[in-house]
Amino acid sequence: QKEVEQDPGPLSVPEGAIVSLNCTYSNSAFQYFMWYRQYSRKGPELLMYTYSSGNKEDGRFTAQVDKSSKYISLFIRDSQPSDSATYLCAMDRDDKIIFGKGTRLHILP
Amino acid sequence: DTAVSQTPKYLVTQMGNDKSIKCEQNLGHDTMYWYKQDSKKFLKIMFSYNNKELIINETVPNRFSPKSPDKAHLNLHINSLELGDSAVYFCASSPRPTIGQYFGPGTRLTVT
Repeated sequence: QKEVEQDPGPLSVPEGAIVSLNCTYSNSAFQYFMWYRQYSRKGPELLMYTYSSGNKEDGRFTAQVDKSSKYISLFIRDSQPSDSATYLCAMDRDDKIIFGKGTRLHILP
Repeated sequence: DTAVSQTPKYLVTQMGNDKSIKCEQNLGHDTMYWYKQDSKKFLKIMFSYNNKELIINETVPNRFSPKSPDKAHLNLHINSLELGDSAVYFCASSPRPTIGQYFGPGTRLTVT
C-alpha cells in the first residue's frame, strides 16, 4: 500500500460548483498535511497546510483533516476556470514531504 | 523578484553527457531541495540541504550529485546521463525542513 493515495482524475466540474479533492494515507507518523496547486508547465504552489485534525479555511479553499480515518480533503467553493490545475496533497515525516500523485481538475465555463 | 529561480529552463542532451542545473533562492530560507517529476507527474524528493548541510539523500543513483556553495544556492550535477533521467527537475526552498516550500519553475531535461 502506498503511503499517500490520490485519485489522478481528471475531475471535470461546471463553473461555480463546489469541488472536493481527497487523499488517504497509511502512515500515522505524518504530522503536517499540505495542498499544492500546479498549473501546466509550472512549479507546485503551496495553497494551505494544517497540523491537526479539523478544518482550515482560506478564502474559497477549505482544508480538512481526519486523522482517525487517515483522510484529508480540499474543498473549493465557487470554482472558477482559473482553478483548473493539478492539485497535489502532501504530508511530512522525517523532514521530508511525501506527495500524492495529484488530481487533475477541469472547471468547465 | 523571482523567489526561486532555476537555470536552464530546458535542457536537451545526449546519453552519456554530464550536465548541471543551477538553483538560487532570494527568500533567505535555510532549507533547499531537489525534486524529480516524472512523465506521470509523480513528484519525488531527491535531496535536501539545511544550512548547506545535506539532510536528505533519497535512493538516487550516484551519478546525481548536489552541491550547496551557500544557503542561497543548490546545484545539481548529473554524470553519464541516461534516457530514464528525462524528467522535470524542481528546486524548492523553505524556512525550515518540510513546511512552506516554494518551488522554482522547473528544468525540463530531455535525454536522447
